[in-house]
Amino acid sequence: GAGVSQSPRYKVAKRGQDVALRCDPISGHVSLFWYQQALGQGPEFLTYFQNEAQLDKSGLPSDRFFAERPEGSVSTLKIQRTQQEDSAVYLCASSLPGQEAYEQYFGPGTRLTVT
Amino acid sequence: AQSVTQLDSQVPVFEEAPVELRCNYSSSVSVYLFWYVQYPNQGLQLLLKYLSGSTLVKGINGFEAEFNKSQTSFHLRKPSVHISDTAEYFCAVSETGGFKTIFGAGTRLFVKA
Repeated sequence: GAGVSQSPRYKVAKRGQDVALRCDPISGHVSLFWYQQALGQGPEFLTYFQNEAQLDKSGLPSDRFFAERPEGSVSTLKIQRTQQEDSAVYLCASSLPGQEAYEQYFGPGTRLTVT
Repeated sequence: AQSVTQLDSQVPVFEEAPVELRCNYSSSVSVYLFWYVQYPNQGLQLLLKYLSGSTLVKGINGFEAEFNKSQTSFHLRKPSVHISDTAEYFCAVSETGGFKTIFGAGTRLFVKA
């Protein structure tokens, strides 16, 4: 079956532009996570949804970052007024309920480069 | 809060040699432990996980890891590596029953012919 998909795979933005990154989770996976992976680092947790409810957004680095999942399926991570330090790979993962801690399926990521 | 330390940023090894990738964690509560692999231009793939029970965990592609609670370690091993094992390996931890996963900085395994 289809895995987690993300689009676009690559995004170049000029500093100050807004960007929107999309994640399509595995069908039936109610839990969805966003991670930020800087070059040479491990992924860092950004936010977590259960269905449409955003239960944890403690990892979002600033109020320029905003995530939504209005219908409990597709999610969008939006970054306003992008800065160079936002350059990273943004990973999305999904899981079944009750397995959030130990059975996350990751997408290929979106590589964002801010120039 | 949990944290993960991967002691080696890069590990070069010859094909068919054994390899060990080291991982130490810290946590004040019980944890789940994981190893993920990331091939170039691909997403993270779960290699193996420790949830409870036997401390020796076997995963895909011939990898295994041993949970050592007293040393707070979860080292990954493979008795004989292949060129195709060249990738980035991440150790990760999450609180038992929780949802937030904390990753280490990664170890790049480079297998040479």
